[in-house]
Amino acid sequence: EVQLVESGGALVQPGRALRLSCTTSGFTFADYAMAWVRQGPGKGLEWVGLIRTEGYEVTTESAASVKGRFTMSRDDSKSVAYLQMNSLETEDTAVYFCARDPGAVNGDAFDIWGQGTKVTVSS
Amino acid sequence: SFELTQPPSVSASSGQTASITCSGDKLRDKYVCWYQQKAGRSPVLVIYQNAQRPSGIPERFSASKSGNTATLTISGTQVVDEADYYCQAWQSTTAVFGGGTKLTVL
Repeated sequence: EVQLVESGGALVQPGRALRLSCTTSGFTFADYAMAWVRQGPGKGLEWVGLIRTEGYEVTTESAASVKGRFTMSRDDSKSVAYLQMNSLETEDTAVYFCARDPGAVNGDAFDIWGQGTKVTVSS
Repeated sequence: SFELTQPPSVSASSGQTASITCSGDKLRDKYVCWYQQKAGRSPVLVIYQNAQRPSGIPERFSASKSGNTATLTISGTQVVDEADYYCQAWQSTTAVFGGGTKLTVL
């Protein structure tokens, strides 16, 4: 069974850092790009960023709202994707989902999602 | 910046057809996908590449695109279909979601 499990969410003060993990199983992790999507309280979905595979030089893309503060990485040997969030702001409060991106085969739709992990930024 | 516009809410009677639209500049040139998100749950992909249905998604879910407007159609709407629906497309290397549409099944 394909599974994505996010972890690392917490209550954190503004300006601090936090790292989220997305632990996967049931598929060949190295073959897939991984995306991060967040959802603020009572709000819609907001794309955060994407990390591509080694075949695409593990390049990343980020939303303008997080560029320069958030970075993505991956460990193919552990089948885990990471989202490092620095200089957190109250506006970053959200549930963070990781999602699998199969690439051009399905038009880069996010076909599998994790259950999400909650990040609260507050003093 | 590229935006996708959805109606905030749509309602349909049980057994009837529900349609949710998504419009955006140059959407005719982009792949559109649709996600269903039930209350308190993670999103689920219901349509990809404009009109393709992933395995396991019921046949009552279909989609089309005309010009710069994409439409998700749920035929024979059921109470279990009550959820928020989001369209999504790519603008270059950035993924963009629509604001979401709450489907109420009466």
